[in-house]
Amino acid sequence: DVKVTQSSRYLVKRTGEKVFLECVQDMDHENMFWYRQDPGLGLRLIYFSYDVKMKEKGDIPEGYSVSREKKERFSLILESASTNQTSMYLCASSTPSGRARETQYFGPGTRLLVL
Amino acid sequence: DAKTTQPPSMDCAEGRAANLPCNHSTISGNEYVYWYRQIHSQGPQYIIHGLKNNETNEMASLIITEDRKSSTLILPHATLRDTAVYYCIASNFGNEKLTFGTGTRLTIIP
Repeated sequence: DVKVTQSSRYLVKRTGEKVFLECVQDMDHENMFWYRQDPGLGLRLIYFSYDVKMKEKGDIPEGYSVSREKKERFSLILESASTNQTSMYLCASSTPSGRARETQYFGPGTRLLVL
Repeated sequence: DAKTTQPPSMDCAEGRAANLPCNHSTISGNEYVYWYRQIHSQGPQYIIHGLKNNETNEMASLIITEDRKSSTLILPHATLRDTAVYYCIASNFGNEKLTFGTGTRLTIIP
């Protein structure tokens, strides 16, 4: 069974803290994504990566950075967390080849609260 | 990605067919229609996609109008487990970025 896992389901951090959200996929997928989901706004793409050490900005990259040192792992970093970054964070992966290319596989999400 | 418009919410009786509409009047010729759903407290799950022809798989059917300006996702025999938010997305096939809107919250009523 395909699997995307995220390091935490729930996280509470204080304003100004550095926050790491980890995502691991076991499908050997080239593409990985980070989204945030807020009520009334749907899912919004923060960053994505199409290969190791490659990254591209999504629609709302401000306040975030990412790291992709290994193919299976994609990290989202909040350098200095702020209360407006309280949200649900979703990681996904996909492959650009073959018939499966249209499918993004999502992790269960991390609900982050910044106090 | 072309903009899509979906009703914010719908109800459907258990065992009946659930028909979820989506408008994508500005869709271009090389954009596919994708459907995903998100059950509460889970990540979104792919359902189906299509370009021009109607498509069917084990989860659902996708009906795309001839002018491609709208489509309907059909869950033939809805169950309580189909209660979820359903997202319709128009995007180029192989475009790794998908733009999710706010979707339709479908509630299956016993």
